[in-house]
Amino acid sequence: QKEVEQDPGPLSVPEGAIVSLNCTYSNSAFQYFMWYRQYSRKGPELLMYTYSSGNKEDGRFTAQVDKSSKYISLFIRDSQPSDSATYLCAMTWGGNQGGKLIFGQGTELSVKP
Amino acid sequence: KAGVTQTPRYLIKTRGQQVTLSCSPISGHRSVSWYQQTPGQGLQFLFEYFSETQRNKGNFPGRFSGRQFSNSRSEMNVSTLELGDSALYLCASSRTGKVGETQYFGPGTRLLVL
Repeated sequence: QKEVEQDPGPLSVPEGAIVSLNCTYSNSAFQYFMWYRQYSRKGPELLMYTYSSGNKEDGRFTAQVDKSSKYISLFIRDSQPSDSATYLCAMTWGGNQGGKLIFGQGTELSVKP
Repeated sequence: KAGVTQTPRYLIKTRGQQVTLSCSPISGHRSVSWYQQTPGQGLQFLFEYFSETQRNKGNFPGRFSGRQFSNSRSEMNVSTLELGDSALYLCASSRTGKVGETQYFGPGTRLLVL
Protein backbone atom coordinates (compact mmCIF):
# COMPACT_ATOMS: atom_id res chain seq x y z
CA GLN A 1 0.00 0.00 0.00
CA LYS A 2 1.33 3.43 -0.96
CA GLU A 3 1.84 5.98 1.81
CA VAL A 4 -0.21 8.52 -0.14
CA GLU A 5 -3.17 7.54 -2.30
CA GLN A 6 -4.65 9.79 -4.95
CA ASP A 7 -7.23 8.99 -7.61
CA PRO A 8 -5.37 9.38 -10.92
CA GLY A 9 -8.52 10.32 -12.84
CA PRO A 10 -8.70 11.60 -15.50
CA LEU A 11 -11.27 14.12 -14.34
CA SER A 12 -13.16 16.17 -16.91
CA VAL A 13 -15.38 19.11 -15.92
CA PRO A 14 -17.05 22.02 -17.73
CA GLU A 15 -15.69 25.52 -17.32
CA GLY A 16 -17.03 27.20 -14.18
CA ALA A 17 -17.46 23.95 -12.24
CA ILE A 18 -16.20 23.39 -8.72
CA VAL A 19 -13.47 20.77 -8.68
CA SER A 20 -12.66 18.59 -5.69
CA LEU A 21 -9.35 16.72 -5.56
CA ASN A 22 -8.49 14.40 -2.70
CA CYS A 23 -5.70 12.38 -1.15
CA THR A 24 -5.56 9.95 1.72
CA TYR A 25 -2.43 8.96 3.60
CA SER A 26 -1.39 6.32 6.07
CA ASN A 27 1.55 7.88 7.94
CA SER A 28 0.21 9.91 10.88
CA ALA A 29 3.64 11.57 11.29
CA PHE A 30 3.07 13.77 8.24
CA GLN A 31 2.59 17.35 9.34
CA TYR A 32 3.01 19.48 6.23
CA PHE A 33 0.74 19.16 3.23
CA MET A 34 1.09 20.62 -0.22
CA TRP A 35 -0.64 20.73 -3.57
CA TYR A 36 1.40 21.02 -6.74
CA ARG A 37 0.22 21.63 -10.28
CA GLN A 38 2.08 20.16 -13.23
CA TYR A 39 1.46 21.21 -16.81
CA SER A 40 2.47 18.90 -19.62
CA ARG A 41 6.23 18.82 -20.19
CA LYS A 42 6.88 21.04 -17.17
CA GLY A 43 8.04 20.49 -13.61
CA PRO A 44 5.53 20.71 -10.74
CA GLU A 45 4.83 24.13 -9.24
CA LEU A 46 3.61 24.75 -5.70
CA LEU A 47 -0.03 25.85 -5.37
CA MET A 48 -0.84 25.57 -1.68
CA TYR A 49 1.07 24.76 1.51
CA THR A 50 -0.69 23.95 4.80
CA TYR A 51 0.48 22.86 8.20
CA SER A 52 -1.55 20.43 10.31
CA SER A 53 -5.34 20.42 10.19
CA GLY A 54 -7.51 23.25 8.90
CA ASN A 55 -8.36 25.24 5.82
CA LYS A 56 -6.36 27.65 3.71
CA GLU A 57 -7.73 29.79 0.92
CA ASP A 58 -5.89 31.49 -1.93
CA GLY A 59 -8.07 33.05 -4.60
CA ARG A 60 -10.06 30.31 -6.31
CA PHE A 61 -8.17 27.56 -4.44
CA THR A 62 -8.98 26.14 -1.01
CA ALA A 63 -6.93 23.46 0.70
CA GLN A 64 -8.32 21.40 3.56
CA VAL A 65 -6.50 19.05 5.89
CA ASP A 66 -8.22 16.60 8.23
CA LYS A 67 -5.48 14.84 10.18
CA SER A 68 -7.93 12.76 12.20
CA SER A 69 -9.14 11.13 8.98
CA LYS A 70 -5.75 11.34 7.22
CA TYR A 71 -7.46 13.10 4.34
CA ILE A 72 -6.60 16.24 2.40
CA SER A 73 -8.53 18.07 -0.30
CA LEU A 74 -8.06 20.82 -2.83
CA PHE A 75 -11.09 22.71 -4.12
CA ILE A 76 -10.99 24.83 -7.26
CA ARG A 77 -13.85 27.28 -7.70
CA ASP A 78 -14.93 28.68 -11.06
CA SER A 79 -12.58 26.33 -12.89
CA GLN A 80 -10.95 27.63 -16.08
CA PRO A 81 -9.50 25.82 -19.10
CA SER A 82 -6.10 27.10 -17.93
CA ASP A 83 -6.54 24.93 -14.81
CA SER A 84 -6.19 21.84 -17.01
CA ALA A 85 -3.14 20.07 -15.60
CA THR A 86 -2.11 17.25 -13.30
CA TYR A 87 -2.57 18.02 -9.61
CA LEU A 88 -0.29 16.31 -7.13
CA CYS A 89 -0.66 16.18 -3.39
CA ALA A 90 2.54 15.97 -1.37
CA MET A 91 3.39 15.74 2.28
CA THR A 92 6.34 15.60 4.61
CA TRP A 93 7.41 15.49 8.23
CA GLY A 94 9.07 18.34 10.16
CA GLY A 95 12.54 19.78 10.64
CA ASN A 96 15.00 19.12 7.84
CA GLN A 97 12.61 16.85 5.93
CA GLY A 98 11.36 19.67 3.73
CA GLY A 99 13.51 18.41 0.92
CA LYS A 100 11.89 14.98 1.03
CA LEU A 101 8.35 15.07 -0.25
CA ILE A 102 6.06 12.07 -0.56
CA PHE A 103 3.71 12.51 -3.51
CA GLY A 104 0.39 11.06 -4.50
CA GLN A 105 -0.04 9.60 -7.97
CA GLY A 106 -1.46 12.85 -9.34
CA THR A 107 -4.95 13.57 -10.74
CA GLU A 108 -5.22 14.65 -14.38
CA LEU A 109 -7.80 17.43 -14.68
CA SER A 110 -9.33 18.71 -17.90
CA VAL A 111 -11.57 21.78 -17.86
CA LYS A 112 -13.65 22.04 -21.04
CA PRO A 113 -14.69 25.46 -22.37
CA LYS B 1 16.00 35.27 -11.23
CA ALA B 2 16.82 32.13 -13.20
CA GLY B 3 14.89 28.99 -12.29
CA VAL B 4 16.15 25.48 -11.76
CA THR B 5 17.86 24.17 -14.87
CA GLN B 6 18.44 20.56 -15.81
CA THR B 7 20.62 19.12 -18.53
CA PRO B 8 20.23 17.34 -20.78
CA ARG B 9 16.49 17.60 -21.36
CA TYR B 10 16.26 14.32 -23.27
CA LEU B 11 18.45 11.27 -23.27
CA ILE B 12 18.36 7.85 -24.91
CA LYS B 13 20.53 5.06 -23.52
CA THR B 14 20.69 1.28 -23.81
CA ARG B 15 20.47 -1.30 -21.06
CA GLY B 16 23.67 -1.73 -19.10
CA GLN B 17 24.97 1.76 -19.79
CA GLN B 18 25.31 4.45 -17.18
CA VAL B 19 24.03 8.02 -17.24
CA THR B 20 24.76 11.28 -15.45
CA LEU B 21 22.16 14.02 -15.13
CA SER B 22 22.87 17.57 -13.99
CA CYS B 23 20.88 20.09 -11.99
CA SER B 24 21.67 23.75 -11.33
CA PRO B 25 19.57 25.14 -8.48
CA ILE B 26 18.27 28.66 -8.10
CA SER B 27 21.02 31.01 -6.98
CA GLY B 28 21.30 30.98 -3.19
CA HIS B 29 19.57 27.62 -2.81
CA ARG B 30 21.65 25.00 -1.04
CA SER B 31 19.20 22.09 -0.90
CA VAL B 32 18.72 19.97 -4.01
CA SER B 33 16.34 17.02 -4.17
CA TRP B 34 15.93 14.47 -6.95
CA TYR B 35 12.73 12.67 -7.93
CA GLN B 36 11.80 10.01 -10.45
CA GLN B 37 8.43 10.33 -12.19
CA THR B 38 6.83 7.42 -14.04
CA PRO B 39 3.22 6.80 -15.14
CA GLY B 40 2.98 3.74 -12.92
CA GLN B 41 4.63 4.91 -9.71
CA GLY B 42 4.18 8.68 -9.92
CA LEU B 43 6.74 11.00 -8.36
CA GLN B 44 9.15 9.20 -6.05
CA PHE B 45 11.84 10.76 -3.91
CA LEU B 46 15.39 9.65 -4.70
CA PHE B 47 17.64 11.73 -2.42
CA GLU B 48 18.36 15.20 -1.12
CA TYR B 49 21.69 16.99 -0.87
CA PHE B 50 22.52 19.93 1.35
CA SER B 51 25.95 21.53 1.63
CA GLU B 52 27.53 18.71 -0.38
CA THR B 53 26.14 16.02 1.96
CA GLN B 54 23.36 13.56 1.32
CA ARG B 55 20.79 14.39 3.98
CA ASN B 56 17.79 12.26 3.03
CA LYS B 57 17.47 9.14 0.93
CA GLY B 58 14.55 7.33 -0.67
CA ASN B 59 14.08 3.62 -1.33
CA PHE B 60 16.03 3.19 -4.54
CA PRO B 61 18.79 0.66 -5.23
CA GLY B 62 22.44 1.59 -4.96
CA ARG B 63 22.65 1.98 -8.75
CA PHE B 64 21.21 5.44 -8.15
CA SER B 65 23.70 7.85 -6.65
CA GLY B 66 24.28 11.55 -6.52
CA ARG B 67 26.58 14.28 -5.40
CA GLN B 68 26.57 17.98 -4.83
CA PHE B 69 29.33 20.44 -5.52
CA SER B 70 30.44 23.45 -3.52
CA ASN B 71 28.42 25.76 -5.80
CA SER B 72 25.29 23.67 -4.96
CA ARG B 73 25.03 22.20 -8.43
CA SER B 74 24.11 18.54 -8.24
CA GLU B 75 24.48 15.47 -10.39
CA MET B 76 22.79 12.14 -10.21
CA ASN B 77 24.16 8.97 -11.73
CA VAL B 78 22.43 5.75 -12.65
CA SER B 79 24.67 2.79 -13.39
CA THR B 80 23.79 -0.43 -15.20
CA LEU B 81 20.62 1.00 -16.66
CA GLU B 82 17.47 -1.13 -16.77
CA LEU B 83 14.39 -0.69 -18.95
CA GLY B 84 12.44 0.30 -15.85
CA ASP B 85 14.68 3.30 -15.32
CA SER B 86 12.94 5.05 -18.21
CA ALA B 87 11.36 8.06 -16.53
CA LEU B 88 11.29 11.79 -16.10
CA TYR B 89 13.94 12.79 -13.56
CA LEU B 90 13.15 15.99 -11.75
CA CYS B 91 15.28 18.02 -9.44
CA ALA B 92 14.02 20.64 -7.02
CA SER B 93 15.82 23.27 -4.99
CA SER B 94 15.08 25.31 -1.88
CA ARG B 95 17.13 27.57 0.36
CA THR B 96 17.86 25.12 3.16
CA GLY B 97 15.42 22.23 2.72
CA LYS B 98 13.59 23.03 5.93
CA VAL B 99 9.85 22.52 6.01
CA GLY B 100 7.91 25.66 5.18
CA GLU B 101 10.19 26.53 2.27
CA THR B 102 8.93 26.22 -1.28
CA GLN B 103 10.66 23.65 -3.42
CA TYR B 104 11.13 24.84 -6.98
CA PHE B 105 11.23 22.16 -9.63
CA GLY B 106 13.16 22.11 -12.86
CA PRO B 107 11.64 20.94 -16.18
CA GLY B 108 13.19 17.50 -15.82
CA THR B 109 15.35 15.19 -17.89
CA ARG B 110 13.43 12.58 -19.82
CA LEU B 111 15.44 9.35 -19.97
CA LEU B 112 14.55 6.52 -22.31
CA VAL B 113 16.33 3.20 -21.85
CA LEU B 114 16.20 0.82 -24.82
